Amino acid sequence: GAGVSQSPSNKVTEKGKDVELRCDPISGHTALYWYRQRLGQGLEFLIYFQGNSAPDKSGLPSDRFSAERTGESVSTLTIQRTQQEDSAVYLCASSSAAITTDTQYFGPGTRLTVL
Amino acid sequence: AQSVTQPDIHITVSEGASLELRCNYSYGATPYLFWYVQSPGQGLQLLLKYFSGDTLVQGIKGFEAEFNRSQSSFNLRKPSVHWSDAAEYFCAVGAGSARQLTFGSGTQLTVLP
Repeated sequence: GAGVSQSPSNKVTEKGKDVELRCDPISGHTALYWYRQRLGQGLEFLIYFQGNSAPDKSGLPSDRFSAERTGESVSTLTIQRTQQEDSAVYLCASSSAAITTDTQYFGPGTRLTVL
Repeated sequence: AQSVTQPDIHITVSEGASLELRCNYSYGATPYLFWYVQSPGQGLQLLLKYFSGDTLVQGIKGFEAEFNRSQSSFNLRKPSVHWSDAAEYFCAVGAGSARQLTFGSGTQLTVLP
């Protein structure tokens, strides 16, 4: 079946512009996660959604970052007024439930380059 | 808060040789431990996970890992490496009520012919 998909695969933008990254989770997965992977580093948690509950935004690095998810479907991560330090690969994952023991399935990521 | 350390940034092995990738975690209780592999242009794929029970965990692609509570380690092993195993490997820990995973910085594996 279809896995987690993300678009675009690559995004180049100019400093100060806003960007939107999209994630399509595996159908039926109620939990959705966003992570950021800077060059040569591990993944940093950004935000997660579980069903219709309030999202856990504890990993968002600044108020320039926001994310939305409608029900149990698509999610968008928005970065406003992008900065060069925002350059990274943004990974989305989904799981059938937001419990730690449940496997998170990752998408291929969106590589964001801020010039 | 939990943390994960992967002390080896880059490891090179010959095809057919054995492999061990190190992972140390910090967490006050029993953690949930994962190993993921990331190939170029691919998303992360789960190799194996440990929650409880037998400390030796078998995964996909011939990988195994051993949970060692006294050493706070969860090292990944493979008896005979194949060229297709060249990739980046991430150890991760999930703990307590936190839903997200905490990842190590990764180990890049190069396989020589």
